[in-house]
Amino acid sequence: QKEVEQDPGPLSVPEGAIVSLNCTYSNSAFQYFMWYRQYSRKGPELLMYTYSSGNKEDGRFTAQVDKSSKYISLFIRDSQPSDSATYLCAMGGIQGAQKLVFGQGTRLTINP
Amino acid sequence: DAGITQSPRYKITETGRQVTLMCHQTWSHSYMFWYRQDLGHGLRLIYYSAAADITDKGEVPDGYVVSRSKTENFPLTLESATRSQTSVYFCASSVKQGISEAFFGQGTRLTVV
Repeated sequence: QKEVEQDPGPLSVPEGAIVSLNCTYSNSAFQYFMWYRQYSRKGPELLMYTYSSGNKEDGRFTAQVDKSSKYISLFIRDSQPSDSATYLCAMGGIQGAQKLVFGQGTRLTINP
Repeated sequence: DAGITQSPRYKITETGRQVTLMCHQTWSHSYMFWYRQDLGHGLRLIYYSAAADITDKGEVPDGYVVSRSKTENFPLTLESATRSQTSVYFCASSVKQGISEAFFGQGTRLTVV
């Protein structure tokens, strides 16, 4: 079993839809949780991060962490074609180490 | 230019050859990482370095060698390339403490034939 599991999709939705992306993890020692966005043939870029359970909002994006269930989500409201990308969850902070463990990534397409 | 740069962007090599992928960062970040990205596996850590002359294995280190004589450079060498090492390789860097936001390069697409 992988330490971080993420449905690879692909996921295709119409413009304006609410998108939900999810990851589960097995190691309760993870201290912080990130979402990266990766456009085609580019390197991943950090979208959002959270430290603890709860929600964090940034514009149309909301990151949610449920440590009791070892489950994290990213919601995209009013999705735009420019949101089409691969979204990777990442987790870290075990014993102060700077390593991140990534999910497989979910490929998302927003159709105009 | 400021940031993290990888070279070459594309490389085709033959099985058994040695090939080195270069990574250079201008931020003086302490940590540097090499990942490979494959369909079905996402990003997997090959090696990482906490500082100059300090390196450690990641999840998939076999067949790879790294060095870090200077803070800004972190080359990755495939000693004897195999077809299973065909992949997209990403270099990344991050600060020493706190939230380890990793800043990624543009990637090197390596094909072993």
